[in-house]
Amino acid sequence: EVQLVESGGGLVKPGGSLRLSCAASGFTFSSYSMNWVRQAPGKGLEWVSSITGSSTYKYYADSVKGRFTISRDNAKNSLYLQMNSLRAEDTAVYYCARQGPFDYWGQGTLVTVSS
Amino acid sequence: QTVVTQEPSFSVSPGGTVTLTCGLSSGSVSTSYYPSWYQQTPGQAPRTLIYTTNTPSSGVPDRFSGSILGNKAALTITGAQADDESDYYCVLYVGSGIWVFGGGTKLTVL
Repeated sequence: EVQLVESGGGLVKPGGSLRLSCAASGFTFSSYSMNWVRQAPGKGLEWVSSITGSSTYKYYADSVKGRFTISRDNAKNSLYLQMNSLRAEDTAVYYCARQGPFDYWGQGTLVTVSS
Repeated sequence: QTVVTQEPSFSVSPGGTVTLTCGLSSGSVSTSYYPSWYQQTPGQAPRTLIYTTNTPSSGVPDRFSGSILGNKAALTITGAQADDESDYYCVLYVGSGIWVFGGGTKLTVL
């Protein structure tokens, strides 16, 4: 059974940093691209970033480019999102999702950016 | 900037059929955009219904189907049930590794 479990969310001040993790199981992790998708409170879904299986290619939404960095460790079956220079508008539930289009989703982790 | 359009809201009677659409602010949606559909209820993670136009995700009832209708992608629910009342999102691949979600459609079953 495919499982994706996010962690690392929390409360952070504007300008601060946070690192999200996504632990994957139930499939050959290195064979799949992975993504981060977020959802601000009461709003719709927003694709944030993607990374290919071998980490060769990384893609970012304009809203996070230059501030967020996606990475993965295939030996640990884990996906990461390093978030720097956080803003209030980055407040959201962050989901990791397999492949694109996104066939499996985690339950999400809440990031709150507030002073 | 690519904008993906969806009806903000829709209503369907129990047992009825409804078609939700997913378009582009400029241009037509084709299979090359790999349109995909997700269902989300409040407080829950999205659930994948249909990916790459018309492939149902595992365990999805066959009353959900995807297609291209005219210049848009479409999600059709045939024989709507009360628990289909949810938010529905589409996503399109717009190239260069970029995916864009629509704003979502709030479906009411009454």
